[in-house]
Amino acid sequence: NAGVTQTPKFQVLKTGQSMTLQCAQDMNHNSMYWYRQDPGMGLRLIYYSASEGTTDKGEVPNGYNVSRLNKREFSLRLESAAPSQTSVYFCASSAASGGQYEQYFGPGTRLTVT
Amino acid sequence: AQTVTQSQPEMSVQEAETVTLSCTYDTSENNYYLFWYKQPPSRQMILVIRQEAYKQQNATENRFSVNFQKAAKSFSLKISDSQLGDTAMYFCAFMKPFSNSGNTPLVFGKGTRLSVIA
Repeated sequence: NAGVTQTPKFQVLKTGQSMTLQCAQDMNHNSMYWYRQDPGMGLRLIYYSASEGTTDKGEVPNGYNVSRLNKREFSLRLESAAPSQTSVYFCASSAASGGQYEQYFGPGTRLTVT
Repeated sequence: AQTVTQSQPEMSVQEAETVTLSCTYDTSENNYYLFWYKQPPSRQMILVIRQEAYKQQNATENRFSVNFQKAAKSFSLKISDSQLGDTAMYFCAFMKPFSNSGNTPLVFGKGTRLSVIA
């Protein structure tokens, strides 16, 4: 099993450009999440999808959109990138049954917006 | 809203010694889950240990153990026999119980950077 995969691993954008971060998991997990990590701030939730067909805003949703494409995939879109969105982005997933609730993380995407 | 506080931005420990990382949290929930994650320079988030609030017994995983004080809302991580490979950022995280529709997100502290010195 690959676990949680994210593409790309690195990306540089100019202000105003758009891009989509892709995330996929092969563990048949119901719930998926997008976090961003900034120096000194820990990880903060952008959006999450508790189950296929649902999405909810997290602590820092402004400037982002998400799509839960199917049970495996959860993408994050930046419509018009801003320098404040320079960050490391993590996707995670978790099961919601059988007492399994820990989150498994992808390797992260380092995004720089100039 | 839940908050998680890690009051030690940086710590260091000599190899083979013991170190304790502090974490406090604020919640009105009675049942919840607590985690410690490790993030080495590779950036990968690795689950170290977890604790269910309804369990009085402190969780232990090899050299890692926690001191869970529910009334004080404290959840510290003890690393025994520290090794150079323990050098990493450590994040404390809180999770509410999952709903019928799925798991709830994690709320993270800001992290503690631990350096193990040879």
